[in-house]
Amino acid sequence: GQQLNQSPQSMFIQEGEDVSMNCTSSSIFNTWLWYKQDPGEGPVLLIALYKAGELTSNGRLTAQFGITRKDSFLNISASIPSDVGIYFCAGITSSGSARQLTFGSGTQLTVLP
Amino acid sequence: ETGVTQTPRHLVMGMTNKKSLKCEQHLGHNAMYWYKQSAKKPLELMFVYNFKEQTENNSVPSRFSPECPNSSHLFLHLHTLQPEDSALYLCASSQDPGRESEKLFFGSGTQLSVL
Repeated sequence: GQQLNQSPQSMFIQEGEDVSMNCTSSSIFNTWLWYKQDPGEGPVLLIALYKAGELTSNGRLTAQFGITRKDSFLNISASIPSDVGIYFCAGITSSGSARQLTFGSGTQLTVLP
Repeated sequence: ETGVTQTPRHLVMGMTNKKSLKCEQHLGHNAMYWYKQSAKKPLELMFVYNFKEQTENNSVPSRFSPECPNSSHLFLHLHTLQPEDSALYLCASSQDPGRESEKLFFGSGTQLSVL
């Protein structure tokens, strides 16, 4: 099956710092999604990317759909304590009427005051 | 509030117990999903229902039995589980699973512990 390699697995940063995480794969994806999961909650969609090369922002978050369609990154600028959580990438491929959603294993972000 | 509600939030059960997880979505979506989340692993898709019909069963053991009485409700019936089944079980919904641009909306999950 398809696999997404998400890195880093965990990050400890100081409040105010910028953060970058990425997902790579040997497979091509048609859509990239980035989710955040707060402790004790389900994942919440942050950003969706639909075209190769697309760069999309949501507040302090910026994500890009790689040109090769095999990777995506998420940047968080000027981190704050509420950015703590697990960030997941997810890639969607489709073949005919079949659609497959694959998740990365997550990046655990800790923001230190 | 994502529009997807799961109950209970926490469940502890013995290996011989029978219990059920419930999910309800208030988004008017047509598809509902069960995922299993274990620590430091990708989310594992278990079941997909589209317009109440099961369209995917991802080689899930028969001790997990899903039920979808209508497009808004989804259940996961649990019977004779094993300790390794302890995990966070997430329900999700989407408007149309066939679209490439489809997005999933997740509930808060049920944290299950099997003793």
